[in-house]
Amino acid sequence: QSVLTQPPSVSAAPGQKVTISCSGSSSNIGNNYVSWYQQLPGTAPKLLIYDNNKRPSGIPDRFSGSKSGTSATLGITGLQTGDEADYYCGTWDSSLSSLVFGGGTKLTVL
Amino acid sequence: QITLKESGPTLVKPTQTLTLTCTFSGFSLSTSGVGVGWIRQPPGKALEWLALIYWDDDKRYSPSLKSRLTITKDTSKNQVVLTMTNMDPVDTATYYCAHRRPCGGDCYFSWGQGTLVTVSS
Repeated sequence: QSVLTQPPSVSAAPGQKVTISCSGSSSNIGNNYVSWYQQLPGTAPKLLIYDNNKRPSGIPDRFSGSKSGTSATLGITGLQTGDEADYYCGTWDSSLSSLVFGGGTKLTVL
Repeated sequence: QITLKESGPTLVKPTQTLTLTCTFSGFSLSTSGVGVGWIRQPPGKALEWLALIYWDDDKRYSPSLKSRLTITKDTSKNQVVLTMTNMDPVDTATYYCAHRRPCGGDCYFSWGQGTLVTVSS
């Protein structure tokens, strides 16, 4: 049981937009920055979004992040088959004194 | 270019101690704000954060595993070592090390390829 709650799966057609939610509490998302990671099949995770809504260099602006209260959202526009992956949110939990991750969301591009 | 690579045994027996080494290049663990962390992922499951060591030797551990973990660094060799005692089959996972750059939160900008560790007798 993960501290952060993500939907197990989402799907959308190529070219469409999808959002992935990450729900937490005041001890984690509510008072700390959120990061998002993409994990393509058989590979290591890759940082997509940090500090709620910043993109590392090289990450296209099709990927966006937002945060409101105790929830965060990853948005992906112009979906491509190459976006099929598992996506994880992560943030510090001040009560646990630990970095925590969501359970992951599998994105399928139909 | 930043690279990290994990090394260590692929198979350990229950109750043994696991020692993993992360060898990195492209950054210095002497730079303010920089850290190296360890994250693991059991087959088919989610990521789990284990530990983090900062440039100033400050260390953070997962509360649930703190009694079993030790993280150290050798700045001159560009290496970070993680030891985990009393290994159990449930510790079977791919273990990643990752580079933490200064940011507002906890963000790992670069990751190693990971190393699969199987715990079995």
